[in-house]
Amino acid sequence: GESVGLHLPTLSVQEGDNSIINCAYSNSASDYFIWYKQESGKGPQFIIDIRSNMDKRQGQRVTVLLNKTVKHLSLQIAATQPGDSAVYFCAENIHSSASKIIFGSGTRLSIRP
Amino acid sequence: EPEVTQTPSHQVTQMGQEVILRCVPISNHLYFYWYRQILGQKVEFLVSFYNNEISEKSEIFDDQFSVERPDGSNFTLKIRSTKLEDSAMYFCASTGTEQETQYFGPGTRLLVL
Repeated sequence: GESVGLHLPTLSVQEGDNSIINCAYSNSASDYFIWYKQESGKGPQFIIDIRSNMDKRQGQRVTVLLNKTVKHLSLQIAATQPGDSAVYFCAENIHSSASKIIFGSGTRLSIRP
Repeated sequence: EPEVTQTPSHQVTQMGQEVILRCVPISNHLYFYWYRQILGQKVEFLVSFYNNEISEKSEIFDDQFSVERPDGSNFTLKIRSTKLEDSAMYFCASTGTEQETQYFGPGTRLLVL
């Protein structure tokens, strides 16, 4: 069936450390994956995406890893900053990025000073 | 940087009343979406719209819901007779092509009393 799930609902990280947020998906037909950041009272903000023909993609301070064998997705944030505090959602599209996005349940990232 | 905008930011209404939520997608985008997020839950797909017609809708999007693109810039979601369980954040999103990601607006918080 279609489902995107997250391993941990909350993650607390020391400022300056790296954060790793994990996600599992179950639909083998998914071919496009996105990480969104949602701050309190705001809409989901695009962070980074990856297509199923890749296993790694890097952005500014963020890296997404895709393991299709075990249907696992992760978001790595380098040198975590207070502004990174938010809920992070992994999400998937099936067939194209214009189709509906299926969101996971979210991981709340909090930063310790 | 272009962004999706939504109005109003907050709406309080009585059960049974009609509400219209408004969105202005990014100007050159062709695919439009509505999602909702009940407090503390994940973001759920409602409907997608392309070429002046609904492309896909979820089971949430029943006969009480409708969407319209009345002019070249606005995209609206109407709930004909609101129910208590319609209380949620409603997000509009848009994308330009099937290869681009979806960009979300800031949301409208709807409270049905």
